Amino acid sequence: GDSVTQMEGPVTLSEEAFLTINCTYTATGYPSLFWYVQYPGEGLQLLLKATKADDKGSNKGFEATYRKETTSFHLEKGSVQVSDSAVYFCALSKIGGSEKLVFGKGTKLTVNP
Amino acid sequence: DVKVTQSSRYLVKRTGEKVFLECVQDMDHENMFWYRQDPGLGLRLIYFSYDVKMKEKGDIPEGYSVSREKKERFSLILESASTNQTSMYLCASSSASGSRRETQYFGPGTRLLVL
Repeated sequence: GDSVTQMEGPVTLSEEAFLTINCTYTATGYPSLFWYVQYPGEGLQLLLKATKADDKGSNKGFEATYRKETTSFHLEKGSVQVSDSAVYFCALSKIGGSEKLVFGKGTKLTVNP
Repeated sequence: DVKVTQSSRYLVKRTGEKVFLECVQDMDHENMFWYRQDPGLGLRLIYFSYDVKMKEKGDIPEGYSVSREKKERFSLILESASTNQTSMYLCASSSASGSRRETQYFGPGTRLLVL
C-alpha cells in the first residue's frame, strides 16, 4: 500500500543553519505530496505542497521538489530560525478520490539561538 | 480563514466511560477526518466522513465510532474508554474537489487521558 518514510528525529540545529528533512514515498500512480508543520501545542497546518512531478512547493523560506525518479519530496530551508522549531510531517494523497492522506511519522526540529 | 474547532483541549476520563469528542468546521467542507497522534507513530486515521451520515473506516477504527448528523459537525465516540486510547486526537476537514490536491485543515487537538 501507499506509504511515506521520513527521516527520524529529533533534529537539532543552530540558528541560520541549513535544514534538510528527507522524505520518500511509495505509491501507485501519481500522488500529490504535502509538508505539514505542527508548532508546539497546536494542530497541523499546511506548509507547502506539490501536485505533479518536478513541481516545487515553497512557503516561508521552505522548499521541496517532487522528484518522481527518486520518489522523494525532501524539505529544505537555507537558514532556520528559532521560530521554525516544530514537528514536520510529510504526507501523500491516496489514489482513489477519497482524498485521504497518508502521513510519515514526523520529524521534530529544534533550533537553538 | 478556515476554522476547525474541537470541543476540549484536555480531557480526563475513567476506564469504561463513554467519551464524546466534538469537531466543528466553518468552511462548508464535505470531508471530515479523525486522527490519533502518538509519539513515534505519527498520525493514524480513525474514521473519515465524505458527507452527512456517510462514514468510512480508517486504519484503526476498533474501539471507536463516529457520527455526522450535520455537515459542519463530526463526532468521535469512544464507546468504552480504555487506557490504550490515551492519545492526542486531531480533527481535520477538506473540500471534496476530487483532485487529490485539497488541503486538510486541522483543529488544535484534544489530549485525552484515560485513567
